[in-house]
Amino acid sequence: GAVVSQHPSWVICKSGTSVKIECRSLDFQATTMFWYRQFPKQSLMLMATSNEGSKATYEQGVEKDKFLINHASLTLSTLTVTSAHPEDSSFYICSAEEIRDRDEKLFFGSGTQLSVL
Amino acid sequence: AQKITQTQPGMFVQEKEAVTLDCTYDTSDPSYGLFWYKQPSSGEMIFLIYQGSYDQQNATEGRYSLNFQKARKSANLVISASQLGDSAMYFCAMRARSGGYQKVTFGTGTKLQVIP
Repeated sequence: GAVVSQHPSWVICKSGTSVKIECRSLDFQATTMFWYRQFPKQSLMLMATSNEGSKATYEQGVEKDKFLINHASLTLSTLTVTSAHPEDSSFYICSAEEIRDRDEKLFFGSGTQLSVL
Repeated sequence: AQKITQTQPGMFVQEKEAVTLDCTYDTSDPSYGLFWYKQPSSGEMIFLIYQGSYDQQNATEGRYSLNFQKARKSANLVISASQLGDSAMYFCAMRARSGGYQKVTFGTGTKLQVIP
């Protein structure tokens, strides 16, 4: 089946630094990718929808300047948490949409656990 | 606005029995897709099954089937012959157009525990 690679799996950083998370679709082209945030024992909260070659669409309450999303190619989307603070600590997970013969699947990366000290 | 609702925070099922996890949705988009995912304690999201809004038949994937009742706006997941490895969080999700663009939103999840 299709594979989505997310890197890094976990990262610890100092407050004020920026962290980049990569999401790659390895064996299919993904026009659309999604970025989610998940707090412990809670559901996935959609942060933004990333479309290749255009600006991401952010959900209400998500700061565009803080969570920079770039979808420069059909296989790669990146999320950069700028000037990270402890409240940004969370599990971030990306997904990529594969549409084939009207059958649609959404595959997820393995997630990134971000801890900001 | 689109909304996904899972009303069962937790469920227990005896091994080898079938279990139904509830999911209702709301959207004004006539073309939408419904997904079910399993999330074990490791955190990965595992795709289980997909149902398109125009699909005439209920989707099935091995032991998983989706009971799609369009008029009731429900998309319940049925797991047959439960196994211990089925213990996990289960999320229902919907892809639909909202506010002019496509997005995928998730329900709050149901924690399933399979009892030996």
